[in-house]
Amino acid sequence: QKEVEQDPGPLSVPEGAIVSLNCTYSNSAFQYFMWYRQYSRKGPELLMYTYSSGNKEDGRFTAQVDKSSKYISLFIRDSQPSDSATYLCAKEYSGAGSYQLTFGKGTKLSVIP
Amino acid sequence: DSGVTQTPKHLITATGQRVTLRCSPRSGDLSVYWYQQSLDQGLQFLIQYYNGEERAKGNILERFSAQQFPDLHSELNLSSLELGDSALYFCASSVDGEKLFFGSGTQLSVL
Repeated sequence: QKEVEQDPGPLSVPEGAIVSLNCTYSNSAFQYFMWYRQYSRKGPELLMYTYSSGNKEDGRFTAQVDKSSKYISLFIRDSQPSDSATYLCAKEYSGAGSYQLTFGKGTKLSVIP
Repeated sequence: DSGVTQTPKHLITATGQRVTLRCSPRSGDLSVYWYQQSLDQGLQFLIQYYNGEERAKGNILERFSAQQFPDLHSELNLSSLELGDSALYFCASSVDGEKLFFGSGTQLSVL
């Protein structure tokens, strides 16, 4: 079983919709969770970063972590065509001075004007 | 712009050949990470260097090697290339290990 599972989509929504992106993870031995956004032919860019259960909000984006159910979510409010990208969830393992990110395979989102 | 520079952007080569991918991290970042991205496997961690020393290894093949130089730039060497090595290779850097900044990648095509 892959450590981070993510529905690959694709997901297509109309402009202005609320988008919900989800991941599940299988290994509890880590604390940090991230969402990265990747535009076509570009490198991933860090969108949200959290290390606790609960919600973290940044503008139109909200990251939610539920450690009891091993569930990570990203909500996008008032979605825009510029949000069209692939969204990657990631969990981080740190130990002995090293930090390793394990990524989900990504969900491709298209926001239709 | 993340501040991480990768060269070349595209590389086309033949099976059995050897190539070198180069990465310049953000100013001040001591850690460099290499990732491979393919359609079927997603983004896979290969290796991490910190201030010139190997810090962690992931799913890196024995045909692949990397190093980080005193000026902190890093190179990923891929040898005896196979068709299956065709992928996007990303370099990322960080100052504290918790937030990675990725370059734009090198698209490797092995024909």
